[in-house]
Amino acid sequence: DAKTTQPPSMDCAEGRAANLPCNHSTISGNEYVYWYRQIHSQGPQYIIHGLKNNETNEMASLIITEDRKSSTLILPHATLRDTAVYYCIVRVIGGAQKLVFGQGTRLTINP
Amino acid sequence: NAGVTQTPKFRILKIGQSMTLQCTQDMNHNYMYWYRQDPGMGLKLIYYSVGAGITDKGEVPNGYNVSRSTTEDFPLRLELAAPSQTSVYFCASTNPGGRELDEQYFGPGTRLTVT
Repeated sequence: DAKTTQPPSMDCAEGRAANLPCNHSTISGNEYVYWYRQIHSQGPQYIIHGLKNNETNEMASLIITEDRKSSTLILPHATLRDTAVYYCIVRVIGGAQKLVFGQGTRLTINP
Repeated sequence: NAGVTQTPKFRILKIGQSMTLQCTQDMNHNYMYWYRQDPGMGLKLIYYSVGAGITDKGEVPNGYNVSRSTTEDFPLRLELAAPSQTSVYFCASTNPGGRELDEQYFGPGTRLTVT
């Protein structure tokens, strides 16, 4: 699975959009980009995933560049409850579906 | 659905003791996983199972054993506890299939201290 690079920490004001970047320059054509988050030592929670088109769900939007070497997770109106560690993971769908976690980005939402 | 449940929530072991961490899921998922998370780090895969009777090693399997006799349960066994096994342990499950079924569901974790 391709390696990802994320900033170790970010801050965002409550009510603003939080944009979390992820670099995955060695991504293969059949690898998807996944985002999970972990709130205060709870179990990780799935947010969104995509292959090459932009994706949106009730939690977030995922923007993947045309060359697929980087992506951005967008939380459109961040709240204090969005304070968490966000993990960007790249892997192929299928097989044993193992997840390889990096250290993620610690996002702090400030009031 | 209760989802993925883990017991116990907390445990303190002495060096050399043994214990089993329990994991149960009620979503009829075929795939189950055990991860550990050390302070300030991401999760690392210990063992996984793609169905009853089938288990395989992950990235950090040494010092652990697993079994999968039913679809619902995936216990993790520590035979001779060592301080290096102090960590938070997470169990997860998912089902194979299309992208709509690809999400892994995680339990609340077991915090283990070995002294």
